[in-house]
Amino acid sequence: NAGVTQTPKFQVLKTGQSMTLQCAQDMNHNSMYWYRQDPGMGLRLIYYSASEGTTDKGEVPNGYNVSRLNKREFSLRLESAAPSQTSVYFCASSEVNLGGTDTQYFGPGTRLTVL
Amino acid sequence: RKEVEQDPGPFNVPEGATVAFNCTYSNSASQSFFWYRQDCRKEPKLLMSVYSSGNEDGRFTAQLNRASQYISLLIRDSKLSDSATYLCVVNVDTDKLIFGTGTRLQVFP
Repeated sequence: NAGVTQTPKFQVLKTGQSMTLQCAQDMNHNSMYWYRQDPGMGLRLIYYSASEGTTDKGEVPNGYNVSRLNKREFSLRLESAAPSQTSVYFCASSEVNLGGTDTQYFGPGTRLTVL
Repeated sequence: RKEVEQDPGPFNVPEGATVAFNCTYSNSASQSFFWYRQDCRKEPKLLMSVYSSGNEDGRFTAQLNRASQYISLLIRDSKLSDSATYLCVVNVDTDKLIFGTGTRLQVFP
């Protein structure tokens, strides 16, 4: 099992350019998430998808769109990149255990710089 | 008040030392609690869940105090390989987690 995979690993964009970050999981999880991580801010939820066909906004959704293409894949799109979107982006997926807990598994991250 | 607060550290300790981290959370309705570990420039990985009765996994012990709304992580006999950032994580509903900003641990020889 590859777990959670993300592409690309690194990306440099100019202000105003668009791009899509790809994420896929092979653990048959229902829930998938996109986070960004900035120094001193911790991980902040951008969007999440509780199941195939549904998406919901997280804490910092402005400037982003998502697509839950199927159960395996969840993509994040920046339509018009801004320097404030320079960050490390993590995709995660989760199962909900019988006890109601929620273990999340993360991809290796995408380091994005917007000039 | 932040939903999850941690002392950012760094905690610099010698090999073999015992070190403890605390974390406070604001949502009294939270039901699930975790410690994640994040190595430099890597993704977070689950270290352990935190149960009401407290739980232990080798050198690691996690405790939950619901009345005071804090969680602790104790690491005994620290190893160089324990150097990392430890993230306190709390759920706010079934599908969403809130991550603390992390406590950095540096173990030196």
